[in-house]
Amino acid sequence: AQSVTQPDIHITVSEGASLELRCNYSYGATPYLFWYVQSPGQGLQLLLKYFSGDTLVQGIKGFEAEFKRSQSSFNLRKPSVHWSDAAEYFCAVFNQAGTALIFGKGTTLSVSS
Amino acid sequence: DAGITQSPRHKVTETGTPVTLRCHQTENHRYMYWYRQDPGHGLRLIHYSYGVKDTDKGEVSDGYSVSRSKTEDFLLTLESATSSQTSVYFCAISESGGTGSHYGYTFGSGTRLTVV
Repeated sequence: AQSVTQPDIHITVSEGASLELRCNYSYGATPYLFWYVQSPGQGLQLLLKYFSGDTLVQGIKGFEAEFKRSQSSFNLRKPSVHWSDAAEYFCAVFNQAGTALIFGKGTTLSVSS
Repeated sequence: DAGITQSPRHKVTETGTPVTLRCHQTENHRYMYWYRQDPGHGLRLIHYSYGVKDTDKGEVSDGYSVSRSKTEDFLLTLESATSSQTSVYFCAISESGGTGSHYGYTFGSGTRLTVV
């Protein structure tokens, strides 16, 4: 069965420092991968997605992610973190039937000044 | 989020009572989903709908039922609420289903349900 693992439950990064959030997936074929962000008390917002083609995808708010098939990973990166980036981040993949998204358990990002 | 609203936003109910949560969309999207979010579990799919009167179960459907009599409304009912159903419930919509959903899902703002 498809699954998504986000190894880091909580990460703290200094403002202005770079960020990398890890995501590993289990999927037989080419996966459809997503990153979502959730600010406190809010719903989820799509940051970026990967379906095929260029393995480096750009998203909103200066985020990017790289698909690495050999490592079954889709890590999210940002070169310089802002305090407003503090939120919970979810990686997701479509299930094998293609009927719904499966989410990881999330990584909470804290930004220190 | 624009085009999708959930009601109520907060609800406290007693164990054993039925509860209905509503998701309303103005986007005319065919696909609608109910997820629950719990600390340490991320989001888990409860039920989804791929059209009027067409629904299917997700991974945590026990104790829940859904109905979709109109494109714009997707109702989630807890038939007899239990404390384990205390959670934040999110509705999502999608223009296309499954891997055709190139734009991902649009999520509502959530309903915080407490069962006492």
